[in-house]
Amino acid sequence: GESVGLHLPTLSVQEGDNSIINCAYSNSASDYFIWYKQESGKGPQFIIDIRSNMDKRQGQRVTVLLNKTVKHLSLQIAATQPGDSAVYFCAENSNTGKLIFGQGTTLQVKP
Amino acid sequence: SQTIHQWPATLVQPVGSPLSLECTVEGTSNPNLYWYRQAAGRGLQLLFYSVGIGQISSEVPQNLSASRPQDRQFILSSKKLLLSDSGFYLCAWSTGLAGKKNIQYFGAGTRLSVL
Repeated sequence: GESVGLHLPTLSVQEGDNSIINCAYSNSASDYFIWYKQESGKGPQFIIDIRSNMDKRQGQRVTVLLNKTVKHLSLQIAATQPGDSAVYFCAENSNTGKLIFGQGTTLQVKP
Repeated sequence: SQTIHQWPATLVQPVGSPLSLECTVEGTSNPNLYWYRQAAGRGLQLLFYSVGIGQISSEVPQNLSASRPQDRQFILSSKKLLLSDSGFYLCAWSTGLAGKKNIQYFGAGTRLSVL
């Protein structure tokens, strides 16, 4: 079946360093992917997305990389700040039209 | 701009009592609507989704039901709550337009504790 999983449940980084959050997916037919940020006690917020015909997309301080050969997705956050502390979810848009979410990676930013 | 409202934010209910959680969306027409449940420290489990008034698809067998009485209103219900119904419930919407990205936008969530 379809699955979206993350390699590490928790990532701890120093403030100012770059963060890289990884995600593996299994459905090669998925046509795009989304990253969400969820702060404690709140709903997930859309961060950035990428279509399957792209391998890189940049936003403000964030970059998403897609490697379709190995079915791998990553979110890079530049100059990580305390406000970036949250759980990050990747999601794939499956061929059924529904989003399949990963289990999430907790990002902890140390001052 | 579009906004999504979900209430209540927190709810404590006894086992066996009924449940009604409401979600409304503003600023868009004919959205797709979703109910998710999130267990502590876990990912999102899709419970129900709706592509139009009165159209409900259930993803998992459970003690809950959903209804969509109006275009931008989505209700999650139960006749008798179980302990296992405790969790964080999230409503989301996405555009129902064909060919558009299925980006889902979430409400603030309802923390349900069944005691």
